Amino acid sequence: DGGITQSPKYLFRKEGQNVTLSCEQNLNHDAMYWYRQDPGQGLRLIYYSQIVNDFQKGDIAEGYSVSREKKESFPLTVTSAQKNPTAFYLCASRSGIAEAFFGQGTRLTVV
Amino acid sequence: QQPVQSPQAVILREGEDAVINCSSSKALYSVHWYRQKHGEAPVFLMILLKGGEQKGHEKISASFNEKKQQSSLYLTASQLSYSGTYFCGFRGSGGGADGLTFGKGTHLIIQP
Repeated sequence: DGGITQSPKYLFRKEGQNVTLSCEQNLNHDAMYWYRQDPGQGLRLIYYSQIVNDFQKGDIAEGYSVSREKKESFPLTVTSAQKNPTAFYLCASRSGIAEAFFGQGTRLTVV
Repeated sequence: QQPVQSPQAVILREGEDAVINCSSSKALYSVHWYRQKHGEAPVFLMILLKGGEQKGHEKISASFNEKKQQSSLYLTASQLSYSGTYFCGFRGSGGGADGLTFGKGTHLIIQP
């Protein structure tokens, strides 16, 4: 079945550590997105990519980095520069002007 | 800039109707509507394109006023399964598959 897979489902990070969240899709979608969700804030766009080896900053890119080496994969790294990383992270993909499909999310907690 | 959604929360009895509104300060190409249950991924409901084309759920309807940059989602004869948080997402008129920007959400609670 086609879809988007995010891993891990839960992730714990120590202060000062970088962590990478995985997002893989087999829908053959060109565009992929990362969103951060905090209570009462909705979905805020971190980064997005329209094609391989190209990506753009969203509204809250500071403290995050991404890569798009393959069409199927769009990993997000939460760096130590992100001072408040505890949140629910959602990855999505889309083709053309159609709807976006979301992964099941990764809940990141700083310990 | 995030779309502005209203109301922030709605409590209804099963069978009642609801309207959720969304507005943008920028010119829009398309409007997307999603519903999210707690701790789960958002699920697609409706997409409205500039020019009038629509695609979406059978029992949910929506409107898109291109001139006012506003959209409304209409939930009629609500069912318990309609409970959740509803998000509108806007894509600007710059073209391409640029980032969808979502509002803060409307919490809908349906009571028996």
